[in-house]
Amino acid sequence: GAVVSQHPSWVICKSGTSVKIECRSLDFQATTMFWYRQFPKQSLMLMATSNEGSKATYEQGVEKDKFLINHASLTLSTLTVTSAHPEDSSFYICSARDYRGGTYGYTFGSGTRLTVV
Amino acid sequence: AQSVAQPEDQVNVAEGNPLTVKCTYSVSGNPYLFWYVQYPNRGLQFLLKYITGDNLVKGSYGFEAEFNKSQTSFHLKKPSALVSDSALYFCAVRGMTTDSWGKLQFGAGTQVVVTP
Repeated sequence: GAVVSQHPSWVICKSGTSVKIECRSLDFQATTMFWYRQFPKQSLMLMATSNEGSKATYEQGVEKDKFLINHASLTLSTLTVTSAHPEDSSFYICSARDYRGGTYGYTFGSGTRLTVV
Repeated sequence: AQSVAQPEDQVNVAEGNPLTVKCTYSVSGNPYLFWYVQYPNRGLQFLLKYITGDNLVKGSYGFEAEFNKSQTSFHLKKPSALVSDSALYFCAVRGMTTDSWGKLQFGAGTQVVVTP
């Protein structure tokens, strides 16, 4: 089945620094990937849609200059949290969309726990 | 506007008993519906999806879901719950509008607690 690898699983960084999170589709090509943010015991909030070779589309209220998304290849999308602050601490999850058997499927990475101190 | 609702924050069930997690939706046209499960500090694992065809969809780990168009529901079921089924369950609908096309919209999630 489709596998999406997300790294790192957890990261602790100092306030003001930047953190990069990688999302790779291991056995399929993903022209479209999604980035979500999840607060404890809450649902997933879509932050942006990442399309290979083009600029990401951000959801309303998401700061594109703070959350930089790059989708340079068909198997890799990255999310960089720039100048991180404690309020950016959260669980970030990526998802890749694939097309198999005539339908779309969505495979999720294992998530990244970001703690900004 | 489309939406998906999970009316229960938490479902408690004894091991061996049937498990049902409720989901209702509101979309224009034919919905694409999904169920995912999330264990603590993990991503989402796919359980099953409804695109078209049989209203009863069988998925992973013994789960199934019934698509009911008249009631706009897509409840997740398992005949005999296991303690290891304790997790957070999400229902999702694929976006069908211009702005939401191709994106998944999630319900609030239902915490399932299975007691031994």
